[in-house]
Amino acid sequence: QITLKESGPTLVKPTQTLTLTCTFSGFSLTTSGMGVAWVRQPPGKTLEWLAVIYWDDDTLYSRSLKSRLTITKDTSKNEVVLAMTGMDPVDTATYYCAQISRNYFYYYMNVWGRGTTVTVSS
Amino acid sequence: QSVVTQPPSASATPGQGVTISCSGSSSNIGSNAVNWYQQVPGTAPKLLIYTNDQRPSGVPDRFSGSKSGTSASLAISGLQSEDEADYFCAAWDGSLNGWVFGGGTKLTVL
Repeated sequence: QITLKESGPTLVKPTQTLTLTCTFSGFSLTTSGMGVAWVRQPPGKTLEWLAVIYWDDDTLYSRSLKSRLTITKDTSKNEVVLAMTGMDPVDTATYYCAQISRNYFYYYMNVWGRGTTVTVSS
Repeated sequence: QSVVTQPPSASATPGQGVTISCSGSSSNIGSNAVNWYQQVPGTAPKLLIYTNDQRPSGVPDRFSGSKSGTSASLAISGLQSEDEADYFCAAWDGSLNGWVFGGGTKLTVL
């Protein structure tokens, strides 16, 4: 059974750096085709993809947020960490991590964590 | 504004069928697979359809997906009250080099 769980601060101040950890089980990020993505959802709005890291260390970032994001993995701990600098109130959202699976040539977000709500306020 | 467009709402009565559309462009739906997610308010998204028309194990066959050109559709037959949720389509966008989500469709079971 694949599970993912997000953890991190629920409240951050403007300009601070947000660091979120995704701890997962049921799969390995050393397995070909595997990956972990981060997605966020502001209250009442749609989903927004942020970043992904793959088993081969390849990383991709949302073009609009690339300068603020860093995604890393620790395969020994089954963890993926997302850091986002320069937090602003508009970054208030629920942040999800999701397992990436592959079907032929196509990757997709398979199993999702429950999400963690982050509020940006002074 | 989302790169991929969905109708904001849809509704139908129990037992009926409903189709939710997802319109994109050649850089996303037109050249990559579409996935669909169901999100009951207050919970995490759940994968419903992947690679255009594949159902994960455990997803009822009342849910089906299709794709044609730069558009995709999610069809739900035999609506049940528990189908009331938000539905999102998603696809890889080769121009943006990232995933894009539709704006979401809120399905109401009357």
